[in-house]
Amino acid sequence: EVQLLQSGGGLVQPGGSLRLSCEASGFTFSRYWMHWVRQAPGQGLVWVARVSSDESNISYADSVKGRFTISRDNAKNTVFLRMNSLRADDSAVYYCAREGEQPPFDAFDFWGQGEMVTVSS
Amino acid sequence: DIVLTQSPATLSVSLGERATLSCRASQSISTNLAWYQLKPGQAPRLLISAASTKATGIPGRFSGSGSGTEFTLTISSLQSEDFAVYYCQQYHNWPLTFGPGTKVDIK
Repeated sequence: EVQLLQSGGGLVQPGGSLRLSCEASGFTFSRYWMHWVRQAPGQGLVWVARVSSDESNISYADSVKGRFTISRDNAKNTVFLRMNSLRADDSAVYYCAREGEQPPFDAFDFWGQGEMVTVSS
Repeated sequence: DIVLTQSPATLSVSLGERATLSCRASQSISTNLAWYQLKPGQAPRLLISAASTKATGIPGRFSGSGSGTEFTLTISSLQSEDFAVYYCQQYHNWPLTFGPGTKVDIK
């Protein structure tokens, strides 16, 4: 069974940092591209970042470029999102998601349960 | 960026009724469209990819159609577990974008 188990969310002050983790199981993690998507309170889903299976291809939404870093450890079946210089408008539930078999243009076939990140003083 | 518009914003439906949700793209995306179901506190669930291909384990009452700029998700006979928010997503161009969602609630 495919599972994506997320951790690392919480409350952080403006300007602070946080690292989200997403541990995968039930599939060959190293074969799949992975993404982060967020949902601010009362808002819709917004794509944040992606990383290819071997980390050779990484992209970010303009809103987080230069502040967030996506990475992965294929030996530990885990994808990370390091978030620096956090702002109030980064407050959201963050989801990791697996892209399907035909990257970089495929749907997200499995998602994590989400982690809440609150940026507030 | 490709903008997706979903209608209606809220759809009130009775159990057993048919629900029809629409998603319109600002430019042609061929059939590079997915539908997701989102419930509070749960992981989003892929329902449909490639506009009309059901994901593994998705009940037969869900179906998708369309191509180009106009797409539809149909739930043929609404069950209690179907009350949720539904999002469409295009993966034709970067950046990937989602529609604003349609909330399906109980009439």
